[in-house]
Amino acid sequence: DSGVTQTPKHLITATGQRVTLRCSPRSGDLSVYWYQQSLDQGLQFLIQYYNGEERAKGNILERFSAQQFPDLHSELNLSSLELGDSALYFCASSVTGNGYTFGSGTRLTVV
Amino acid sequence: TQLLEQSPQFLSIQEGENLTVYCNSSSVFSSLQWYRQEPGEGPVLLVTVVTGGEVKKLKRLTFQFGDARKDSSLHITAAQPGDTGLYLCAGGNSGGSNYKLTFGKGTLLTVNP
Repeated sequence: DSGVTQTPKHLITATGQRVTLRCSPRSGDLSVYWYQQSLDQGLQFLIQYYNGEERAKGNILERFSAQQFPDLHSELNLSSLELGDSALYFCASSVTGNGYTFGSGTRLTVV
Repeated sequence: TQLLEQSPQFLSIQEGENLTVYCNSSSVFSSLQWYRQEPGEGPVLLVTVVTGGEVKKLKRLTFQFGDARKDSSLHITAAQPGDTGLYLCAGGNSGGSNYKLTFGKGTLLTVNP
């Protein structure tokens, strides 16, 4: 157990739907990062939050959004889902950048 | 955009062999990290190198950061089936709350018994 908890582990949904992925960071970590992993693109940075505030944005689609709550857990919302959104979504947390601790990921399948 | 190229993309070897995987970029990074990812799990941090020319050893794994801090290598001695996995390098910049990693696409290593 890495200390970073992601739920759900698997998610199957239809095109056009909306889903929410949840992440609880390791105790004491203020930064949360979201990554998308696919076979052809590898790990792609989506967005970073630090202590409730958005700090950096990567290749995140406008259909995707995220937030970090006062208790530091984070949610990634994916809407108007397309087949191409099927991927592994990872959350990672860190203290000040001394390496990330990743969760086990959510495998999203859009059918 | 900073890019990290990893080679080879796939590597299949026999138990007991040595191997080296490479991570190259045209950009300078303040730190370089190596992760290993197993199927169904998230990447797990193996090592962080921050000084140009730095060499770190972790049992049978040897990590080196290039002098110019643009490239890195991972050498495994006497590979074992338990070393099988996806090896990812990641370059880091800035620090504190703005720290962000850029990942390479990884080297998928298979060690056959």
